[in-house]
Amino acid sequence: DQQVKQNSPSLSVQEGRISILNCDYTNSMFDYFLWYKKYPAEGPTFLISISSIKDKNEDGRFTVFLNKSAKHLSLHIVPSQPGDSAVYFCAAKGGTFGNEKLTFGTGTRLTIIP
Amino acid sequence: DADVTQTPRNRITKTGKRIMLECSQTKGHDRMYWYRQDPGLGLRLIYYSFDVKDINKGEISDGYSVSRQAQAKFSLSLESAIPNQTALYFCATSDLGTSGSIDTQYFGPGTRLTVL
Repeated sequence: DQQVKQNSPSLSVQEGRISILNCDYTNSMFDYFLWYKKYPAEGPTFLISISSIKDKNEDGRFTVFLNKSAKHLSLHIVPSQPGDSAVYFCAAKGGTFGNEKLTFGTGTRLTIIP
Repeated sequence: DADVTQTPRNRITKTGKRIMLECSQTKGHDRMYWYRQDPGLGLRLIYYSFDVKDINKGEISDGYSVSRQAQAKFSLSLESAIPNQTALYFCATSDLGTSGSIDTQYFGPGTRLTVL
């Protein structure tokens, strides 16, 4: 049972435009959501996170929005740059106290077209 | 220097062979994890360890074992490799994360394992 889903395997966006990556989850007990970025031949790197008690978190060109009623979050990148081309993983943190783990989505490959 | 290192970076082996993947970290973190990445399946947790004396199974632990030799070292073994264990394997570390706080994980560069 996939608790965290990224339904778009790939996305292409023109340089300078907005990229919107989406993620859906099923477990209402998740308390944090994170986005990771992965380049080829490298490990994923942390990008941005949001607490379940917030609905928006912004860091430079990156903004994450959380809609708890819809169990949906999205990552907005604006303006998109060629260096943003990568695979993006959504992750959710949950579990019993002292045993929290991350559950990852399947990833979305973002390609920025110059 | 990389904070989380994995060896080897690439390995090709045959069915039935025993394989060990190693992970070392200099971040001083207590928690370490092993994941595998498969196309279309994202990152799936194999095993995790919250300190040297703690080992826990993840969602796909069958066919794997681990050893936490020290705070800084966490090894993953495939006792008898099979072709469907062909994947990209990642080690990760994190600080002790309590409920209500972020438990940001830091990943190594990955090991690409091919089982023929």
